[in-house]
Amino acid sequence: SQTIHQWPATLVQPVGSPLSLECTVEGTSNPNLYWYRQAAGRGLQLLFYSVGIGQISSEVPQNLSASRPQDRQFILSSKKLLLSDSGFYLCAWIGMVGGYTFGSGTRLTVV
Amino acid sequence: DAKTTQPPSMDCAEGRAANLPCNHSTISGNEYVYWYRQIHSQGPQYIIHGLKNNETNEMASLIITEDRKSSTLILPHATLRDTAVYYCIVRVASLNNQGGKLIFGQGTELSVKP
Repeated sequence: SQTIHQWPATLVQPVGSPLSLECTVEGTSNPNLYWYRQAAGRGLQLLFYSVGIGQISSEVPQNLSASRPQDRQFILSSKKLLLSDSGFYLCAWIGMVGGYTFGSGTRLTVV
Repeated sequence: DAKTTQPPSMDCAEGRAANLPCNHSTISGNEYVYWYRQIHSQGPQYIIHGLKNNETNEMASLIITEDRKSSTLILPHATLRDTAVYYCIVRVASLNNQGGKLIFGQGTELSVKP
């Protein structure tokens, strides 16, 4: 069966520190992968998506970057975190026709 | 921007049907209607999707109007565990269209009360 793993579950980082969040998918090949952020409760914002290795599309200009070094691995990074980067980060992939499967999320607090 | 509009909040009594409306008046002929829900502090969960026919699965029913400009998600017997934010999204099913990305609106916060 297909599963999606995302870690860590929670993270507290100081302003100016680097960030690396990892997402991996099992049980499928060449999935479309997505990073979303949710700030202050509701409203999921699409940050990046990838249709293949090394292929990254950015949806909004920001302090973050994404990479896809392997087929089933999607990484969200930052060189220097800002307070405004705090939020709930979710990784997702399409498991069926149009049906997304989301990871359990990482709650990032920048202090 | 999201192409759907939903009421920000709704209440429903436990055991009764919850009917969540969604307007998507600018939907294109090749766009599907998807419903997801998000329980607090969890990732969104897929519920159901449809193109023009009504759909039913173990979780819910989806009723799409004949002109496809609106739809209703029906939870037939709401329980306290159905309390969540429900998102209605329209998108093309093809993964080749901009990677199949989902654009979320603000959704409807459903509160199921005992």
